[in-house]
Amino acid sequence: QSALTQPRSVSGSPGQSVTISCTGTSSDTGGYNFVSWYQQHPGKAPKVMIYDVTKRPSGVPERFSGSKSGNTASLTISGLQAEDEADYYCCSYAGSFTFGYVFGTGTKVTVL
Amino acid sequence: QVQLVESGGGVVQPGGSLRLSCAASGFTFSTYIMYWVRQAPGKGLEWVAVISYDGSNKYYADSVKGRITISRDNSKDTLYLQMNSLRTEDTAVYYCARDLSGWSDYWGQGTLVTVSS
Repeated sequence: QSALTQPRSVSGSPGQSVTISCTGTSSDTGGYNFVSWYQQHPGKAPKVMIYDVTKRPSGVPERFSGSKSGNTASLTISGLQAEDEADYYCCSYAGSFTFGYVFGTGTKVTVL
Repeated sequence: QVQLVESGGGVVQPGGSLRLSCAASGFTFSTYIMYWVRQAPGKGLEWVAVISYDGSNKYYADSVKGRITISRDNSKDTLYLQMNSLRTEDTAVYYCARDLSGWSDYWGQGTLVTVSS
């Protein structure tokens, strides 16, 4: 149950694109297509932005997209906006809740 | 609308106990897997425990195994977290969340547990 590895911070100017990586192993991110991404503003509960690697819940802007290659999942924010400044966490699920869930270390996105 | 409301947090001494509750409304509670996630001050999210629909299956993070028990009362639409032998490292905001096959669409607002002498 080791935390997934994310960069501590990424930054970009409004309108630019940023990508956050989330690296695990073949036992979590690499083994299953159950990676989700959460956005968390200070003092608030997390909010899901992406689930099942690439799916976007209704209400989440299209500028948020997810992908995966091997053991690394990624979240891309295209057309960065000021309100996107927040902490982002990936989460991996091994297909059965008997194995639990593993979160990433978290990435602070700063809009310059 | 769906709501999850945690309660029961507070200040407790090391070695003490606390029971958190999460009152659910706006959905059929008994048909969802539920879990607890915590976040230490200034730190990241950590999954704590999960419970099946009927409470018959429960699984825990290694960091809390043996000290924390998750349970639910479907007649009251409430999820619980019984925390014993608390340590300073258990200080965190505790969130309850409902599971949708590995991800969560609804989280509570969180309740703060502070373990300090």
